[in-house]
Amino acid sequence: DTGVSQDPRHKITKRGQNVTFRCDPISEHNRLYWYRQTLGQGPEFLTYFQNEAQLEKSRLLSDRFSAERPKGSFSTLEIQRTEQGDSAMYLCASRTGTSGRQGEQFFGPGTRLTVL
Amino acid sequence: KNQVEQSPQSLIILEGKNCTLQCNYTVSPFSNLRWYKQDTGRGPVSLTIMTFSENTKSNGRYTATLDADTKQSSLHITASQLSDSASYICVVSETSYDKVIFGPGTSLSVIP
Repeated sequence: DTGVSQDPRHKITKRGQNVTFRCDPISEHNRLYWYRQTLGQGPEFLTYFQNEAQLEKSRLLSDRFSAERPKGSFSTLEIQRTEQGDSAMYLCASRTGTSGRQGEQFFGPGTRLTVL
Repeated sequence: KNQVEQSPQSLIILEGKNCTLQCNYTVSPFSNLRWYKQDTGRGPVSLTIMTFSENTKSNGRYTATLDADTKQSSLHITASQLSDSASYICVVSETSYDKVIFGPGTSLSVIP
């Protein structure tokens, strides 16, 4: 399977714990995006990378959230001191750096986080 | 403020019937508009894409229309199937492609 993969698919944690999610984009894609999606809503932008550089962060990304893409390939999203309001689906997407496919982002299956 | 709105919020139709979903946007500058299908618990998958110069685009039983003057789009589903039950999300891109605005989605349920 050469699509975007995310791990884990589901995570249940207690409030106050730290969690880390991983995203493996399509191999030739140099743009990688993180989104958060709550029930009944569309995805909300969190941050994106061009190669290893984090180019933009949303105001939604509080100081408890950190994302990295150290080698320009896979990315991790860490949430420290989780709160119940962090419960959501975390989606990763990637795309080519050119205008190929008119900027289409390909999404992974998401990681469903539940904070108890 | 760049926004994408969708209607209805949810829709229930009988298998075999047609339906039309609406999307209004205020995004500017505008590059393209996509409709995504998102099955429950899965990531969105692109159905159609249209640039400002395109009026209609089909993908099997899905037909999308775009009126760039009124900034409205619709997604028409013909002869619905149970597998069409999903959330349909309208996504508008600015010219940079890195700025994409997602609508809240329309939840479609197709019942036998």
